[in-house]
Amino acid sequence: GAVVSQHPSRVICKSGTSVKIECRSLDFQATTMFWYRQFPKQSLMLMATSNEGSKATYEQGVEKDKFLINHASLTLSTLTVTSAHPEDSSFYICSASGESYEQYFGPGTRLTVT
Amino acid sequence: AQSVAQPEDQVNVAEGNPLTVKCTYSVSGNPYLFWYVQYPNRGLQFLLKYITGDNLVKGSYGFEAEFNKSQTSFHLKKPSALVSDSALYFCAVRDDTGRRALTFGSGTRLQVQP
Repeated sequence: GAVVSQHPSRVICKSGTSVKIECRSLDFQATTMFWYRQFPKQSLMLMATSNEGSKATYEQGVEKDKFLINHASLTLSTLTVTSAHPEDSSFYICSASGESYEQYFGPGTRLTVT
Repeated sequence: AQSVAQPEDQVNVAEGNPLTVKCTYSVSGNPYLFWYVQYPNRGLQFLLKYITGDNLVKGSYGFEAEFNKSQTSFHLKKPSALVSDSALYFCAVRDDTGRRALTFGSGTRLQVQP
């Protein structure tokens, strides 16, 4: 089956710094990648959809200047949380989709901002 | 707009008994329906999907789900629960139009007691 990896799995950073999270499709070409955010004991909320080579489409209420998404290749998308604050602490999950309707999820990244 | 409802925050069942986790959905086109399971601090694991065809879908780990178009439901079932099935379960939907992002339900915690 298709495998999606995320790096790092866990990161702690200080308030005001930026953090980059990578999402890779290991054995297929992902034309579309999705970034979700999950608060404790809550569901996944879609943050943005990124298509390879084009700008990401952000969901309403998600600050595009704060959550920078780059999808420069068919196997890699990155999410950069800029000037992180404690309220950005969350579990971030990416998923990748090729030509079919399937979405394959990464293992998630736990971000803690102190 | 599409939406998913999981009316139960938690379902408790004794080991060996059948289990049902409820899900209803709303989409404008034909639904693509999914069930995922999440263990603590982990990403989502795919269980099963309905795209077209037989209304009863069989998936991983002995789980199955029945698509009911008239009731717009896609309940997850298993004939005999295991303690290891205890986890957080998410129902998700997307329609068959161009938008490929999934909309998730709020999740249902399944607790299987020995």
